[in-house]
Amino acid sequence: EVQLVESGGGLVQPGGSLRLSCAASGFTFSTYWMHWVRQAPGKGLVWLSHISDEGSTTNYADSVKGRFTISRDNAKNTVYLQMNSLRAEDTAVYYCARGGQSGLSWGQGTLVTVSS
Amino acid sequence: EIVLTQSPGTLSLSPGERATLSCRASQSVSSSFLAWYQQKPGQAPRVLIYGASSRATGIPDRFSGSGSGTDFTLTISRLEPEDFAVYYCQQYGSSPYTFGQGTKLEIK
Repeated sequence: EVQLVESGGGLVQPGGSLRLSCAASGFTFSTYWMHWVRQAPGKGLVWLSHISDEGSTTNYADSVKGRFTISRDNAKNTVYLQMNSLRAEDTAVYYCARGGQSGLSWGQGTLVTVSS
Repeated sequence: EIVLTQSPGTLSLSPGERATLSCRASQSVSSSFLAWYQQKPGQAPRVLIYGASSRATGIPDRFSGSGSGTDFTLTISRLEPEDFAVYYCQQYGSSPYTFGQGTKLEIK
């Protein structure tokens, strides 16, 4: 069974930084692309970024390009999202998800609140 | 960027009725890499349909997907009480992997 557990969320001031982690189990992590998706309170889903299975390819939504960095450690079965220069509009639940031809499989999410 | 537009925004139906949800893309979706997700309050989304028409593991056969190119449909043949939720389409054929804005399926 695919399990994805996000951590690292919390309260951060505008302009601050946070690193999210997502620990994966139940599948061969090193063979899947991984994604981050967020959902602001009461709003829809927004795809943010993905990273290839070996970590050599990354892509970002325009809204976070230059501020967020995705990375992975296949030895630790973990994907990360480094978030810098955070803004109030980055407040959301952040989900990591496993990619693949059968769509995304999701973690339970971690809440990030950007506020002074 | 491929923009996905879902309609209607809200759909009010009764249990036992048929639901038809639409997802229209601004450009052709590559190789029908179109998925549908269901999200209930306080929960993460879960995949229902992938590849436009393939049901994910464990999804009841009352859920079906169809379409290609720029027009896709999710059909729920007979609504059960647990089907009332928000539904999102997503294209995963070209980056950025965009979502539609969602359709809320509510009890009439």
